[in-house]
Amino acid sequence: QQQVKQSPQSLIVQKGGISIINCAYENTAFDYFPWYQQFPGKGPALLIAIRPDVSEKKEGRFTISFNKSAKQFSLHIMDSQPGDSATYFCAASMQSSYKLIFGSGTRLLVRP
Amino acid sequence: GAGVSQSPSNKVTEKGKDVELRCDPISGHTALYWYRQSLGQGLEFLIYFQGNSAPDKSGLPSDRFSAERTGGSVSTLTIQRTQQEDSAVYLCASSPFRPGETQYFGPGTRLLVL
Repeated sequence: QQQVKQSPQSLIVQKGGISIINCAYENTAFDYFPWYQQFPGKGPALLIAIRPDVSEKKEGRFTISFNKSAKQFSLHIMDSQPGDSATYFCAASMQSSYKLIFGSGTRLLVRP
Repeated sequence: GAGVSQSPSNKVTEKGKDVELRCDPISGHTALYWYRQSLGQGLEFLIYFQGNSAPDKSGLPSDRFSAERTGGSVSTLTIQRTQQEDSAVYLCASSPFRPGETQYFGPGTRLLVL
């Protein structure tokens, strides 16, 4: 029940296209859903996060869509750029807790 | 300001040796976390500190793993009698105060046990 399932494992998108990464969770007590971006040799960095009181959050080219009833959330990267090529992790936690439960990651490659 | 720093950045050791990994959190951050990232895998929570106390050590894989934090700042993760399956990237993160706040990650220590 603590798992966060992430798909796809890898994704190739042409420059200018839309990248979509999906995550699903079981624990309905989760109330914080961040996405982290990780470049090779670097630690993960927070990209965008959402709480379940909203269904969508947009920051620049990055959008989180959240479906509470389906217990799913997704990251959309609009106008994908080669510089977006990285590994993306979804995660979940409870506000009262301290540990992030991470998905297994998606390796995104944006071709020029 | 300065981010989370970790040292060493890379560590190669022989099976059976002990290793110490260091984390310097962002100044003023009272919460500190250790995670492990195995090749091609997500991040696995190991331990959490609030100040110098570790309320939850349940993520530590075995009693060969231990961690401490001193002065509410620097933390050290120690792995005794290393095994090949300990090879991974060990990541440290810190957050300002309360659980659930954004965690800021360091670059990690890449540990290879031969």
